[in-house]
Amino acid sequence: AQSVTQPDIHITVSEGASLELRCNYSYGATPYLFWYVQSPGQGLQLLLKYFSGDTLVQGIKGFEAEFKRSQSSFNLRKPSVHWSDAAEYFCAVGAPEYGNKLVFGAGTILRVKS
Amino acid sequence: GAGVSQSPRYKVAKRGQDVALRCDPISGHVSLFWYQQALGQGPEFLTYFQNEAQLDKSGLPSDRFFAERPEGSVSTLKIQRTQQEDSAVYLCASSRGGEASYEQYFGPGTRLTVT
Repeated sequence: AQSVTQPDIHITVSEGASLELRCNYSYGATPYLFWYVQSPGQGLQLLLKYFSGDTLVQGIKGFEAEFKRSQSSFNLRKPSVHWSDAAEYFCAVGAPEYGNKLVFGAGTILRVKS
Repeated sequence: GAGVSQSPRYKVAKRGQDVALRCDPISGHVSLFWYQQALGQGPEFLTYFQNEAQLDKSGLPSDRFFAERPEGSVSTLKIQRTQQEDSAVYLCASSRGGEASYEQYFGPGTRLTVT
C-alpha cells in the first residue's frame, strides 16, 4: 500500500539558519507531490506542488522542494528560516491509480529559536 | 477570493448524539474532499465528491459516517451516535477537476470533541 514517511517528528532550527524537512514515499509510479503547512488551530496551506517537469520546484514563503526519483524523496528546503515559519509541515502524495485522495505523512513540527 | 469555509469551527457532543458538519467549497470547484485529522497525526481521507456524485467513500470508518453534496456545492458530513474515538478535526478541501483535483485547498476545519 502507498505510504508517506516524514522521519523527523520535531526539528528545531535557529532563526536565519537553513532548513530541510524530509519526506519519503512508497508508490509504484511517479506520484503528485505536495507540501502543506499548518499553524495551530488553522487549516492546511499549500506551500508547493510537483506534477512533472523540473524536479526543483519553488513555492510560497521562500520554500522550495526537490523531487528525487531514485530516492523516492521530496524534501522541503528553505535557505533562511524566519520565526514565523514555526508550524507543522505535512508532505502529501497523490496518484491516479489510488483515486483522487491525498495521503499525508505524520507531519514535522518546526520550532524556531531566536 | 473566498477560500473554503467550514462550520461550526468547534463542536462538543455527548456520546451518542448526532452531529452535522458543513463545508462551503471554493466557488467553481467541482471536487470536494473530507479528511479526518486525529491529534498529532496527518489528515486521513474519508470521502470524495465530484460535483454531486460521491465517487469514493472508502475512508469512512463506519456506517455511522455519512456525507452528502446534493447540489454539487455545499457538503455536509454527518456522524450518527458519536463515539469518543470520533474526536478529531474534520477538514474539508476543494479543488478543480481532472489532474488539478490533486491540488486541494483546505478549510480551517471543525474540531469535534465527544464527551
